[in-house]
Amino acid sequence: LAKTTQPISMDSYEGQEVNITCSHNNIATNDYITWYQQFPSQGPRFIIQGYKTKVTNEVASLFIPADRKSSTLSLPRVSLSDTAVYYCLVVGLGANNLFFGTGTRLTVIP
Amino acid sequence: GAGVSQSPRYKVAKRGQDVALRCDPISGHVSLFWYQQALGQGPEFLTYFQNEAQLDKSGLPSDRFFAERPEGSVSTLKIQRTQQEDSAVYLCASSLAERGGSRGNEQFFGPGTRLTVL
Repeated sequence: LAKTTQPISMDSYEGQEVNITCSHNNIATNDYITWYQQFPSQGPRFIIQGYKTKVTNEVASLFIPADRKSSTLSLPRVSLSDTAVYYCLVVGLGANNLFFGTGTRLTVIP
Repeated sequence: GAGVSQSPRYKVAKRGQDVALRCDPISGHVSLFWYQQALGQGPEFLTYFQNEAQLDKSGLPSDRFFAERPEGSVSTLKIQRTQQEDSAVYLCASSLAERGGSRGNEQFFGPGTRLTVL
């Protein structure tokens, strides 16, 4: 399983755009980059997934450069309810488990 | 529809007791996973079922941990002779796809069972 490195914590004011960068130098050809979000006392929740370039959904955008050794999760105009831990994962197609690491604890400040 | 549910939500056990944690996956989901999450850490994989078959139990920390899914739906994680180091949140997740499915194996998690061993 490819390991990932991401900041332990980040703070942001409400209404700002937040970018969380993750490095995954050993990503394999068949691996996808996946982000999960976890609120206190809840299980993780899938946010977004991509293979290369840019992916956007109603929650976030994911930017992946050509070499795929890093990725950036972008959360537009965060609100207090976005305070959570965000996990960057590299997942092989057909993998039967997820490796979460310690994630990035995002705190949104009023 | 209903998501993944787990019971009990909280469990306090005395050291040496046996506990059983239940997971009800999303109906129709083929794959079921158990994870252990220590305080301040990310979830760590314990075991994986495809229908009733336990295909991977490489993450179970000791032979005191046992999981089953006899009819391919509800699963139970049993911990025998609990120790203080077993204190953690136990998360269950289910996935529609079998191994090799699309969407990178998106997993849907339950709220977890917080186990405290005194």
